[in-house]
Amino acid sequence: DSGVTQTPKHLITATGQRVTLRCSPRSGDLSVYWYQQSLDQGLQFLIQYYNGEERAKGNILERFSAQQFPDLHSELNLSSLELGDSALYFCASAGEDEQFFGPGTRLTVL
Amino acid sequence: AQSVAQPEDQVNVAEGNPLTVKCTYSVSGNPYLFWYVQYPNRGLQFLLKYITGDNLVKGSYGFEAEFNKSQTSFHLKKPSALVSDSALYFCAVRDWGFSGGYNKLIFGAGTRLAVHP
Repeated sequence: DSGVTQTPKHLITATGQRVTLRCSPRSGDLSVYWYQQSLDQGLQFLIQYYNGEERAKGNILERFSAQQFPDLHSELNLSSLELGDSALYFCASAGEDEQFFGPGTRLTVL
Repeated sequence: AQSVAQPEDQVNVAEGNPLTVKCTYSVSGNPYLFWYVQYPNRGLQFLLKYITGDNLVKGSYGFEAEFNKSQTSFHLKKPSALVSDSALYFCAVRDWGFSGGYNKLIFGAGTRLAVHP
């Protein structure tokens, strides 16, 4: 168990809808990273937050947004969903050097 | 730009034999390199890292990795494979970005390891 929690485990929704994925980092970790894992794109970095502030951005679509709250949990919001957004979404929090990953949320867009 | 490459989509090995999963990297400056493993329907588990120091790094579950600067490689190894080692393995490098500190990981495409009884 990495200490990083993610909810829900699975999400099934329809195109055009909006969903929110939630992540709680390990106790004491200030950084949260979001990654998307899909069959065609592999593991891609989306966005990083550090102590409530956006720190780095990757190939994140404009339809996607994230935030980190004062208690350090983070939410990834995906809107106007398309079939191609179906993927496994991971969050991670940072240790001294390595990152620790949550179990992921599997999003299926029908 | 930082990148890693895993040249093999799949590696097959018999149980009890040594295994190697290959990774090469391209970075500016000193590389921070990592190996992660993903079991079916699970998240990524950290195996080991190379930051500095000894070129042979030991990690979890009997895995080790050899850092080779001249060949820009960081191959994952295990002396004796187990069927339970069958999983997807990812090599990753830290991308420091513009602000340094803790930054994103750039992953290879992954290598599926199949250990046969």
